[in-house]
Order: sequence, then structure tokens, then C-alpha cells
Amino acid sequence: AQTVTQSQPEMSVQEAETVTLSCTYDTSESDYYLFWYKQPPSRQMILVIRQEAYKQQNATENRFSVNFQKAAKSFSLKISDSQLGDAAMYFCDLPPLVCVGNMLTFGGGTRLMVKP
Amino acid sequence: DAGVIQSPRHEVTEMGQEVTLRCKPISGHNSLFWYRQTMMRGLELLIYFNNNVPIDDSGMPEDRFSAKMPNASFSTLKIQPSEPRDSAVYFCASSLSRVGNTIYFGEGSWLTVV
Repeated sequence: AQTVTQSQPEMSVQEAETVTLSCTYDTSESDYYLFWYKQPPSRQMILVIRQEAYKQQNATENRFSVNFQKAAKSFSLKISDSQLGDAAMYFCDLPPLVCVGNMLTFGGGTRLMVKP
Repeated sequence: DAGVIQSPRHEVTEMGQEVTLRCKPISGHNSLFWYRQTMMRGLELLIYFNNNVPIDDSGMPEDRFSAKMPNASFSTLKIQPSEPRDSAVYFCASSLSRVGNTIYFGEGSWLTVV
């Protein structure tokens, strides 16, 4: 079975500052993909960033980057120059390669608040 | 391009009534997922279809829930009879069933059972 854990239910950051959201996971697979999704109050889930496990280079998308540590099974999201529009729920996701059993594919989520 | 389309966006129903949620996946996608999101349990995968065939429905909470995908462009999630504890946001999502492909979510159906 695969598990995803987001240990920070809530985080806050000052506008223009940097914040890091943590995610740890467990899987027996050697090749897999990890995702961070953003869910603003409107409830529409939006892909933020994607990491391929076989790539050592950390993924980057504009102000969003990840610190992927495969051996430690850690996949944290760093948001630089935080903006008010970044306020949302953030979900770490480790999609299963095969759907087996009742798997919660997303972490519990981290609510990010951005202070002006 | 149209994304995943869900209807209704909002539904309020009385306990015991039948509820049907609908989903139109992105054209060309062959995997379809139904998720339920609650404050207590977060986002849960209910059922997964591949090429219109249910692959795993072990996430469906109980027999009151059923899902169908009669063709590649339409799926339904039905709750009969509904109960207050079914109140949640139900997401439909679709993707191409290749490893690493992004899953695209609909905007969700807000269900309140009173």
C-alpha cells in the first residue's frame, strides 16, 4: 500500500516571503510520480507541480519548486515570493500505478494562509 | 478545451432521496475517477474506471453508492437512499491512463443531505 502524509494542517506566510510545505510518503515502487495540487476556496483543484521519481533534478514552476529526497521519501513544496492568491489548500499526491484496495491517494492537505 | 464537467454544482436533498451526480470527462481521456472530499477524511478515491470498465470500486463506502460509465463521455455516481453523512464535495476527474499523466478534476458537486 502507498501512504502520503502532510504533517502541517495549517501554515501561514507573510506576503513576499517564502514558505515550505512538507510531504512524506511511502511506496514500494521504484518509479513513480508525485504531484502537488492547489485547491483554492472555489474548490477547483489545480496542478501546481509534478516530479518524476527517476529524475534527480527538483522540479520548478515559476515561484514553485520542490525538494525531492527519494531516499528519505520526502517531497516538500517551496513557494517563493508568496502572493495573496497562493492562499489555498495544498495537497500532495502519489497516484498509484495500479489501483489496489482502498487507497487515499492524497495527503490530508495543508491550508496555507498568506498575510498581507 | 473543455475540462471535466460535473453537474449539478450544488445539490441539497432530503434524507432518503436518490441523488445522481454526473460527469463528462475530457474528450480522449480513458480513465475516470470519482472522489469524495470531507473535512474529516480529506479526499478519498471512491471508484476508478478505465476504458469505461470499473477497475476498483473498493473505495465506495457502501451499497447505497453506485457508479456507472455507459460510454467514454459520461459517468454517473448515484446515492440511494441518501443520508446526512453523505454530505460532501464529490469530484470527478479524468486522465489518460499512462503513468505520470496529470489527473484533471472537475469543479466538484457540493452535496448537502438534510
